Amino acid sequence: GQNIDQPTEMTATEGAIVQINCTYQTSGFNGLFWYQQHAGEAPTFLSYNVLDGLEEKGRFSSFLSRSKGYSYLLLKELQMKDSASYLCASLDSNYQLIWGAGTKLIIKP
Amino acid sequence: DAGITQSPRYKITETGRQVTLMCHQTWSHSYMFWYRQDLGHGLRLIYYSAAADITDKGEVPDGYVVSRSKTENFPLTLESATRSQTSVYFCASSESAGGPYEQYFGPGTRLTVT
Repeated sequence: GQNIDQPTEMTATEGAIVQINCTYQTSGFNGLFWYQQHAGEAPTFLSYNVLDGLEEKGRFSSFLSRSKGYSYLLLKELQMKDSASYLCASLDSNYQLIWGAGTKLIIKP
Repeated sequence: DAGITQSPRYKITETGRQVTLMCHQTWSHSYMFWYRQDLGHGLRLIYYSAAADITDKGEVPDGYVVSRSKTENFPLTLESATRSQTSVYFCASSESAGGPYEQYFGPGTRLTVT
């Protein structure tokens, strides 16, 4: 079966760094996406990885290890506006996105 | 304005009624998708479309019907609504199905079936 696992909820402090992990098992693999979703809003794209390694984009970085079926999203210099759910999604062999349930990130001052 | 819109944003209907959720995009993206989002679940794909007049089932298609006569529109119909279809429905579009093409999401329709 296809499965995406990520923690349900995480708490971090403003200004700190947080790492959100995601493990995936899908039928085939054509890349790993991260999306951000604020409460009551639509998901918005953050990053895409298809090769092993780290992709950096400002305060956000995403890492992929294909051999381990593992990815993480790293958020630096946390701001209150980063309070949101972070969705991990794997693109399977049919080019369909298989989504995790999301990690709710709570930022405390 | 360019973008992807959904209507209605909120809908309350009764069990057994037919309901149509509308989705419109102005980018001329080839691919369009319908997802439902429920607490504790990831987004689940209901139907998708690769182009006008081409549609295919996703993970949870039962009880839903789609059509795509024009590239920009992708309506989703619940033929006979059930309480289990109470959910938030998102429409999305993308240039292509493969990476690195991101999906752009509409604002969602919150549907309650009583």
